[in-house]
Amino acid sequence: KAGVTQTPRYLIKTRGQQVTLSCSPISGHRSVSWYQQTPGQGLQFLFEYFSETQRNKGNFPGRFSGRQFSNSRSEMNVSTLELGDSALYLCASSFPAGTGTGELFFGEGSRLTVL
Amino acid sequence: GNSVTQMEGPVTLSEEAFLTINCTYTATGYPSLFWYVQYPGEGLQLLLKATKADDKGSNKGFEATYRKETTSFHLEKGSVQVSDSAVYFCALMIYNQGGKLIFGQGTELSVKP
Repeated sequence: KAGVTQTPRYLIKTRGQQVTLSCSPISGHRSVSWYQQTPGQGLQFLFEYFSETQRNKGNFPGRFSGRQFSNSRSEMNVSTLELGDSALYLCASSFPAGTGTGELFFGEGSRLTVL
Repeated sequence: GNSVTQMEGPVTLSEEAFLTINCTYTATGYPSLFWYVQYPGEGLQLLLKATKADDKGSNKGFEATYRKETTSFHLEKGSVQVSDSAVYFCALMIYNQGGKLIFGQGTELSVKP
């Protein structure tokens, strides 16, 4: 069974640009979550999608957005990039609906560097 | 609010030493508790979990017991190996907030031969 796939794995952008990251969950998983990992702030929850609807959202500015498609694949977008957005962005999927006791399966992440 | 506090690292041990990584939490609901591990250059992997008080999670020789009275979920292993070198994260998830893990800051473990 294929794991969570994130693309691209590495990317470099400049300040002011925007970026879109993609996540394909494990087949059959309907919940997709996104996390930002930085040395200073650690792992922080961005948002979670289930059945194309955002169910939970973390404390990030509106520049960070996401969506989920009918096949459960998800994308997140960061607009007007800032240097502080440099981070490893991790996607995780779960089944069934994520009632709070289930395991999240993480991808290897997309490492974003903002110059 | 909900939060997780882990002992700071890095922790350096010799092979076959006993490992304890402390984790305490604050939660307003009924959390499930997790330990995740991150090996260099990789994403997170679930190591073990416990979903209610007094549950013991175990995997690959690691254990942790959900202690509601002390709001703790300490990770232990009796004999560490070089291959256990990684960053360990304690995390909680509140019931009905599936997909939202609240992580501790992580503890880097280095095991020397």
